[in-house]
Amino acid sequence: GAGVSQTPSNKVTEKGKYVELRCDPISGHTALYWYRQSLGQGPEFLIYFQGTGAADDSGLPNDRFFAVRPEGSVSTLKIQRTERGDSAVYLCASSLIWEDSSYNEQFFGPGTRLTVL
Amino acid sequence: AQKITQTQPGMFVQEKEAVTLDCTYDTSDPSYGLFWYKQPSSGEMIFLIYQGSYDQQNATEGRYSLNFQKARKSANLVISASQLGDSAMYFCAMREGDDYKLSFGAGTTVTVRA
Repeated sequence: GAGVSQTPSNKVTEKGKYVELRCDPISGHTALYWYRQSLGQGPEFLIYFQGTGAADDSGLPNDRFFAVRPEGSVSTLKIQRTERGDSAVYLCASSLIWEDSSYNEQFFGPGTRLTVL
Repeated sequence: AQKITQTQPGMFVQEKEAVTLDCTYDTSDPSYGLFWYKQPSSGEMIFLIYQGSYDQQNATEGRYSLNFQKARKSANLVISASQLGDSAMYFCAMREGDDYKLSFGAGTTVTVRA
């Protein structure tokens, strides 16, 4: 079946502009995650959705970052007034949720490479 | 404090040999899960192997095995019979308790030489 897809694959923008990054999770996966990966580093958690609601947004760096998942499927990460430090690969992942299990394998998309000039 | 520590930024291994990638973790939650992911130059994260904190045996998946030493809080990945296609970045990650997010280490770059 289809995996997690993300669009666009690359986005170049200018400092101060607004960008939207889209994630299409695996069909049926109730959980959706956003991570940010800077060059040479491991992914860092941004936000996690369970269904339509953000269950944990503790990783969002500041109020310029916002994410939605209005129908419990596709999610959009929105970044306002972009800064050069926002340049990174933004990864989306989805999973089923099994209660009482520490497994819940996350399936990752190919990422969106954001470059802020 | 870092939840996941990977101390080897890069490693070289000869084709057909085994390589061990180190991972130590820090948590006070008795229930947790440890994951290893592979990230080739194409950028996609590929799940390799999982170890739960209550699992009695070390996890194995084909050429991948996890050397889980709970008391030492280490979860080293062993890749046996290395292949050229194993050249990639490898990340150790942890999920704790009721928390669904993953905490990742900084990664180890593996280069397999012919």
